Amino acid sequence: DAGVIQSPRHEVTEMGQEVTLRCKPISGHDYLFWYRQTMMRGLELLIYFNNNVPIDDSGMPEDRFSAKMPNASFSTLKIQPSEPRDSAVYFCASSLTSGGVGQETQYFGPGTRLLVL
Amino acid sequence: AQKVTQAQTEISVVEKEDVTLDCVYETRDTTYYLFWYKQPPSGELVFLIRRNSFDEQNEISGRYSWNFQKSTSSFNFTITASQVVDSAVYFCALGIQGAQKLVFGQGTRLTINP
Repeated sequence: DAGVIQSPRHEVTEMGQEVTLRCKPISGHDYLFWYRQTMMRGLELLIYFNNNVPIDDSGMPEDRFSAKMPNASFSTLKIQPSEPRDSAVYFCASSLTSGGVGQETQYFGPGTRLLVL
Repeated sequence: AQKVTQAQTEISVVEKEDVTLDCVYETRDTTYYLFWYKQPPSGELVFLIRRNSFDEQNEISGRYSWNFQKSTSSFNFTITASQVVDSAVYFCALGIQGAQKLVFGQGTRLTINP
């Protein structure tokens, strides 16, 4: 079975540009998570969806960040406009829904390494 | 509030040595779940194990073993006969039933030297 798929794997952009990160969760998983990892702050949960509906976006740093999940097999995280401090590795993860967020194993994608110049 | 502490920021050992990574958690809930993930130099996060609070049996998977002790709120991870391929950052995480997110520790960077 395919794992979580993310694209692109690497992204280099200039400050002010729009960045779109993409994720395809594991088929059959009802939860989808977006994380950001930096040296300073570690692994941070940005937002998560359940059955394509955003449940908790309290981790989204600012209005420049937005996330959508138009269907069960696709999600995007958009940064507009991007800033150098957004440079990080962005992970998408998915899990089953039966036990809830705290109970089920989250399976992570390979991540997108974003560099904003 | 829930918290996970991985006090060892970095560990460096020589190949074939045994090494234990510590994980101490804090929660007042009686039902919770503990996880370990591995992040090799390539960057992906790989799931290793999930354990619920009602199962205190230790687990062994090849050279990997996990020691869950509720009395000390610890869920330690031991690699026996370490290999260079075990070099990675290892994260411990805590999940509470009904919670909105997993709580991750800061990670332990393990380096296995040949």
